[in-house]
Amino acid sequence: QQPVQSPQAVILREGEDAVINCSSSKALYSVHWYRQKHGEAPVFLMILLKGGEQKGHEKISASFNEKKQQSSLYLTASQLSYSGTYFCGTATYNQGGKLIFGQGTELSVKP
Amino acid sequence: NAGVMQNPRHLVRRRGQEARLRCSPMKGHSHVYWYRQLPEEGLKFMVYLQKENIIDESGMPKERFSAEFPKEGPSILRIQQVVRGDSAAYFCASSPGQPTDTQYFGPGTRLTVL
Repeated sequence: QQPVQSPQAVILREGEDAVINCSSSKALYSVHWYRQKHGEAPVFLMILLKGGEQKGHEKISASFNEKKQQSSLYLTASQLSYSGTYFCGTATYNQGGKLIFGQGTELSVKP
Repeated sequence: NAGVMQNPRHLVRRRGQEARLRCSPMKGHSHVYWYRQLPEEGLKFMVYLQKENIIDESGMPKERFSAEFPKEGPSILRIQQVVRGDSAAYFCASSPGQPTDTQYFGPGTRLTVL
């Protein structure tokens, strides 16, 4: 089942902060975050693993609440380059490495 | 280090023709995933392959679509008798293999069916 992302879209001014949430109804093993700009490939940002380990981008932080099966991506002091669509991809037990992606959150950062 | 390579980047086909999309994973990666992205939509899993094996094809349409990852050469996604609804961006991703490994995406093939 597809994870649910919120909000669907957000508009920020440069320097403002944003939080993007990703919720699943299934027990998750890992959550993977990507950013995609229009017409381009998704770019890896971060992986959050069951147990608390994180791997990824230095300027972006995220959390993973295992009890709630929810992950949040924190974008602080946003820059124009942060604009794009953010996707969370979830991996559950016994599904190998395939990722099921949320519907995306469109982030626009204005000057 | 070359990233994931896909070709062609753009492909135009008429209804009823065949489309072949190729994906070369990153060096050292033995796992390949194909995802489809319809216009203005998210990424949908199609198939997961290792060398010479299809691990999970639960996202593949039952008819007209097939995938392979031979011992030598790139992974191929093949769409027979294309229809307008097949128009989409097809992305390939590769990883070393563990569920906790990062999947790196290729630039995608944008298929347009006339």
